[in-house]
Amino acid sequence: GESVGLHLPTLSVQEGDNSIINCAYSNSASDYFIWYKQESGKGPQFIIDIRSNMDKRQGQRVTVLLNKTVKHLSLQIAATQPGDSAVYFCAENFSGAGSYQLTFGKGTKLSVIP
Amino acid sequence: KAGVTQTPRYLIKTRGQQVTLSCSPISGHRSVSWYQQTPGQGLQFLFEYFSETQRNKGNFPGRFSGRQFSNSRSEMNVSTLELGDSALYLCASSFVTGQNEAFFGQGTRLTVV
Repeated sequence: GESVGLHLPTLSVQEGDNSIINCAYSNSASDYFIWYKQESGKGPQFIIDIRSNMDKRQGQRVTVLLNKTVKHLSLQIAATQPGDSAVYFCAENFSGAGSYQLTFGKGTKLSVIP
Repeated sequence: KAGVTQTPRYLIKTRGQQVTLSCSPISGHRSVSWYQQTPGQGLQFLFEYFSETQRNKGNFPGRFSGRQFSNSRSEMNVSTLELGDSALYLCASSFVTGQNEAFFGQGTRLTVV
């Protein structure tokens, strides 16, 4: 789909395995982070968010880890399923800017092997 | 609860024409932001509106403009279309502050020929 860049990093995992998708963010002042999943032909779908006063947050089958020291985010998906195949984006926002402007990473394509 | 609705889903326009895209946010959401998505540049911020005021604008030429109405619905306009404007245009809505989830619509696929 159009969400995939020409040189998008790709992660291939076996169905049932755990997936870890990494992201480096750019602004040390960013205080809010979101992971999105985008399937071909669709808009980004919210997965999970985390505020900068936390270093870990868990959802259903997903966990986000935040390391502010090295400006790194990761998304862990447990027991990966074929329906998890998509492009995953991290996004950051600095709420102190007085507006809502998400800065997105380049994305990672996750392929689940049945 | 209805999600973010963007219309139309697909558009084909000729170079030099102008186009208007529409976005209806989730009920109660007052912040609406627009993004352009292309294979080469990824997702890039266009502008954000809150209470009918543009609060921030990305690094796009003045041909790209927008507005927000009192019911929070938003439109964006692109004038004098260029081939490079072909992209998926996405709208996102959020409740109020910068630490709330932003939800996206399906997007409008614009093709300029």
